[in-house]
Amino acid sequence: GENVEQHPSTLSVQEGDSAVIKCTYSDSASNYFPWYKQELGKGPQLIIDIRSNVGEKKDQRIAVTLNKTAKHFSLHITETQPEDSAVYFCAASMVAGGSNYKLTFGKGTLLTVNP
Amino acid sequence: EAGVVQSPRYKIIEKKQPVAFWCNPISGHNTLYWYLQNLGQGPELLIRYENEEAVDDSQLPKDRFSAERLKGVDSTLKIQPAELGDSAVYLCASSLGRVSGGVSYNEQFFGPGTRLTVL
Repeated sequence: GENVEQHPSTLSVQEGDSAVIKCTYSDSASNYFPWYKQELGKGPQLIIDIRSNVGEKKDQRIAVTLNKTAKHFSLHITETQPEDSAVYFCAASMVAGGSNYKLTFGKGTLLTVNP
Repeated sequence: EAGVVQSPRYKIIEKKQPVAFWCNPISGHNTLYWYLQNLGQGPELLIRYENEEAVDDSQLPKDRFSAERLKGVDSTLKIQPAELGDSAVYLCASSLGRVSGGVSYNEQFFGPGTRLTVL
């Protein structure tokens, strides 16, 4: 089955700096890679996702890059703000024929943005 | 639009007692998921429903866990009897399922979870 490794497990940055979280996956059949943000006491919330037919996707201060050859993908947050502090999870899934397949999550990165 | 609703939010029980969690997915979402999240870990899939059918329950410990989604809408996850190691957050998620027209069918929306403590 799929295995997703996520690094670092904790990340502390100063407000305004950039933050980068990296993930690797094992199953070359995976073609959908979402990133979730989880705040304390809440469920994970999708913040951005990317499919294997593109190499990069950006949404305001958040961007995700995908390297299919190396089987790794990264989350980039620019101009970090204290409200970006949370646990971030990467995940991988194989989607075919319009059906959902299970998401395999990384272990998460605790991001702390210091004011 | 209401999100995924779960209840209860917190549950404390003695070991060997039964417990049940309820989930109401987003209206119109055909696919429903139950995940287990241990402290400091990412969610792990327990079971996935397409409408009423459990299409992936390979990770569900069937000796003590059961789930149902009788009318293809809300769902219940049960543990009987609970063990100390079952203490965790149980998350429910839903997604649209098979759709077309450019709509993101992959996006899974999560509920707030039920935090279970087994004493």
